[in-house]
Amino acid sequence: DTGVSQNPRHKITKRGQNVTFRCDPISEHNRLYWYRQTLGQGPEFLTYFQNEAQLEKSRLLSDRFSAERPKGSFSTLEIQRTEQGDSAMYLCASSYPTGGAGETQYFGPGTRLLVL
Amino acid sequence: DAKTTQPPSMDCAEGRAANLPCNHSTISGNEYVYWYRQIHSQGPQYIIHGLKNNETNEMASLIITEDRKSSTLILPHATLRDTAVYYCIVRSRDDKIIFGKGTRLHILP
Repeated sequence: DTGVSQNPRHKITKRGQNVTFRCDPISEHNRLYWYRQTLGQGPEFLTYFQNEAQLEKSRLLSDRFSAERPKGSFSTLEIQRTEQGDSAMYLCASSYPTGGAGETQYFGPGTRLLVL
Repeated sequence: DAKTTQPPSMDCAEGRAANLPCNHSTISGNEYVYWYRQIHSQGPQYIIHGLKNNETNEMASLIITEDRKSSTLILPHATLRDTAVYYCIVRSRDDKIIFGKGTRLHILP
């Protein structure tokens, strides 16, 4: 078990460019979550998948953001026409339902985005 | 909004027990108390969680009051590597996590 991995770890882009991040969850975890964290704040929920189905999206997820999990394994988060306000750490987490014991999300190291 | 209240910061001497309090007076019967921590520039790390009973693992102990309106995370022998932001979270079993601002714990040498 290698944990949740995210790529790239850092991304610098110019305003208006598109960027795509990838998340590889822990194997056999069927739930995958995306969060965003700005400086000095706790992470904020963006969206989550159960297998390949996107079940919930936050109001933070504007129409410039799109997330996919085509085969129920890895996921991508794309931001189109980036803005300086998109600069943040993008975190991915995965989990597996454990019945009555509570479901624990395990986080990846994050992708830090800087929009110039 | 986060359903928990935590002090913004705390200090603890290295080698001593760090006791981090959390108030969650509106917790529902099916909601768990989770603790995560985030070391600078890393993703949040799961520490422990519980429903009603006190819990202990290799990292920490979680003490939940009988009325479940508050809890305390205990790091028994704090080290410099425990310096981090600690988040207390209340959530249903399979719900998304709503983070507050957490407690910034400083371990003093």
